[in-house]
Amino acid sequence: DAKTTQPNSMESNEEEPVHLPCNHSTISGTDYIHWYRQLPSQGPEYVIHGLTSNVNNRMASLAIAEDRKSSTLILHRATLRDAAVYYCILRDYNNAGNMLTFGGGTRLMVKP
Amino acid sequence: EAGVAQSPRYKIIEKRQSVAFWCNPISGHATLYWYQQILGQGPKLLIQFQNNGVVDDSQLPKDRFSAERLKGVDSTLKIQPAKLEDSAVYLCASSSTWESPSLHFGNGTRLTVT
Repeated sequence: DAKTTQPNSMESNEEEPVHLPCNHSTISGTDYIHWYRQLPSQGPEYVIHGLTSNVNNRMASLAIAEDRKSSTLILHRATLRDAAVYYCILRDYNNAGNMLTFGGGTRLMVKP
Repeated sequence: EAGVAQSPRYKIIEKRQSVAFWCNPISGHATLYWYQQILGQGPKLLIQFQNNGVVDDSQLPKDRFSAERLKGVDSTLKIQPAKLEDSAVYLCASSSTWESPSLHFGNGTRLTVT
């Protein structure tokens, strides 16, 4: 499985944008980039995913580099509720046996 | 829509005892996953079901762990006998199909083995 590299932790101020980076230099052409987050004492929660183009949804935006070797999850306006561990995961949908494999993620702390 | 339900929420057992966890996925979801999350780490996949069939159980320690999804709906994960290193949160997730990018997770069962 292609691996991802994320900073262990990041800090942000409330109501400011947050850019969470992810490096995936060995990504293959059929790997999709997924982001999940895990709030304290809860299971992970899907945030967003994409292949090549930038993606937006109600939770966040995903910016994918042109060479696809890195991506950035953008929270446009951080709130205290966004404090969580954010996981960047690659997944190839070519076969049913290729599962979502979580790494260590980035712990985001939001200061009031 | 109701989320993924798991029980119990917490369980404390002694080593060598057995324990079972239950999961009720979102209605209609064909794919079900069990993950193990050790404190400070990301979740690790143990087993994936597609309806009542196993897609992948390569990371399930089969000498002590077993899982079933007999009618393609609810699932149980059992550990027998438990070891200290099995202390973790056991997460169940479901998705409408194996191709769905969005897995829905329950809040997990926190197991402590003493």
